[in-house]
Amino acid sequence: GENVEQHPSTLSVQEGDSAVIKCTYSDSASNYFPWYKQELGKGPQLIIDIRSNVGEKKDQRIAVTLNKTAKHFSLHITETQPEDSAVYFCAASSVNDYKLSFGAGTTVTVRA
Amino acid sequence: NAGVMQNPRHLVRRRGQEARLRCSPMKGHSHVYWYRQLPEEGLKFMVYLQKENIIDESGMPKERFSAEFPKEGPSILRIQQVVRGDSAAYFCASSPPSMGNYGYTFGSGTRLTVV
Repeated sequence: GENVEQHPSTLSVQEGDSAVIKCTYSDSASNYFPWYKQELGKGPQLIIDIRSNVGEKKDQRIAVTLNKTAKHFSLHITETQPEDSAVYFCAASSVNDYKLSFGAGTTVTVRA
Repeated sequence: NAGVMQNPRHLVRRRGQEARLRCSPMKGHSHVYWYRQLPEEGLKFMVYLQKENIIDESGMPKERFSAEFPKEGPSILRIQQVVRGDSAAYFCASSPPSMGNYGYTFGSGTRLTVV
C-alpha cells in the first residue's frame, strides 16, 4: 500500500514568515494529493489539493507543489498569521479511489 | 447543512466495556468512511460503507471491531471489550456518490479513552 512520510513533525515560525511542509509518497500510481488542517478538538479540514496533471496550485497565501518524478509534494504558507497555527496533514491517493493515506502530521506554531 | 455529525465527542470506557460511536453523514452523502488517529500519528483508514453495505473493511481489526450503516439512522462503529490500545480519536467522513476521497468532509471526531 501507499506510504506517506511528512517532515518536519513540528515547525515554529515568526508571524509574517513562510512555512514549508514536505511529504514523500511511495506509490507511483497515486495522483491525488490533498492537504488538511486540523485545529485543536476539530476534524481535518481540506485546505488545498493537487492532481498529478499540474505541478503547482495556489490559493491566496497557500500553495502546493508536486514533483511526480521524485514523488514528493510540498505545502507553502506565506505571510503566516497566528490563526495558521494548527496540525497539517498531507495525504495521497488515486483520484478514483476512496482511501486516503495520511502523513503523520506537522504541528505549526506561528509566534506573534 | 449541518455537516458530518459525530457523537459523542468524548467517550470514556473501562477495559472490557463496549464503545459505540455514531456518525451522521452530510445531507445527500451516502458514503461513509471511518478513520482512526492514534496520538502523534496521522489518520488510518478503517472501513468504507454505503447504505446497508460494507464495501471495504480492510483497515479494521478482525476482532472486536464492527461497523454498520443501516438504511435508516447513523453509521455505527462498535468496539467490543475495549482495551487501552483502543484509545484514539475516531473520525468519520462522508462523500456524495461517485466522488470518493475527492468529496470528503470529516466530522469533529469521537475521542475514546479507555481506563
